[in-house]
Amino acid sequence: GAVVSQHPSRVICKSGTSVKIECRSLDFQATTMFWYRQFPKQSLMLMATSNEGSKATYEQGVEKDKFLINHASLTLSTLTVTSAHPEDSSFYICSARRLATDTQYFGPGTRLTVL
Amino acid sequence: QKEVEQDPGPLSVPEGAIVSLNCTYSNSAFQYFMWYRQYSRKGPELLMYTYSSGNKEDGRFTAQVDKSSKYISLFIRDSQPSDSATYLCAMNSGGATNKLIFGTGTLLAVQP
Repeated sequence: GAVVSQHPSRVICKSGTSVKIECRSLDFQATTMFWYRQFPKQSLMLMATSNEGSKATYEQGVEKDKFLINHASLTLSTLTVTSAHPEDSSFYICSARRLATDTQYFGPGTRLTVL
Repeated sequence: QKEVEQDPGPLSVPEGAIVSLNCTYSNSAFQYFMWYRQYSRKGPELLMYTYSSGNKEDGRFTAQVDKSSKYISLFIRDSQPSDSATYLCAMNSGGATNKLIFGTGTLLAVQP
């Protein structure tokens, strides 16, 4: 199957700092990537759709100035959580859309803890 | 009413049992159906993908879609303790936005 990586897998930071999470599709090109967050024992919540070479589309209620998304190439999208606060602590997961099969493949997730 | 309904479980079965996981949906525009498996603290893993009514088999897994009833199922034969995970159904209507709509997930525990 297709492989999507995320880095880092776990990050702990102080309140007020910014954190960047990378999502890479390793063996296919992805014109579209998605960013989700997941709280314990809950399903995935779509935050934004990231399109290569254009601005991301954010879901209702997601602050675009707080969650900066950049999709600079066909294999890399980044999510930057700016001025992180404890309530931003969560599990962040990206997925990449494989055009050939029109399916989404997920990364392993990044656990963010803001102290 | 949610677009996709899925029983959250938990579902506990003995090793070797046949497991049936189900989702119902309300949007008749959904054309593509997926099942993902998610282990604790990991990203979801794509198990099955189908876009037509009927059955699709892959090893111990069978995905079933009934578009007329808006009902999809995942069957796991000869279940193993390693199958213990949360199973998420997901679907979309295809097209440019291609957002996946997820069920809440069913937590499965296979007891040795």
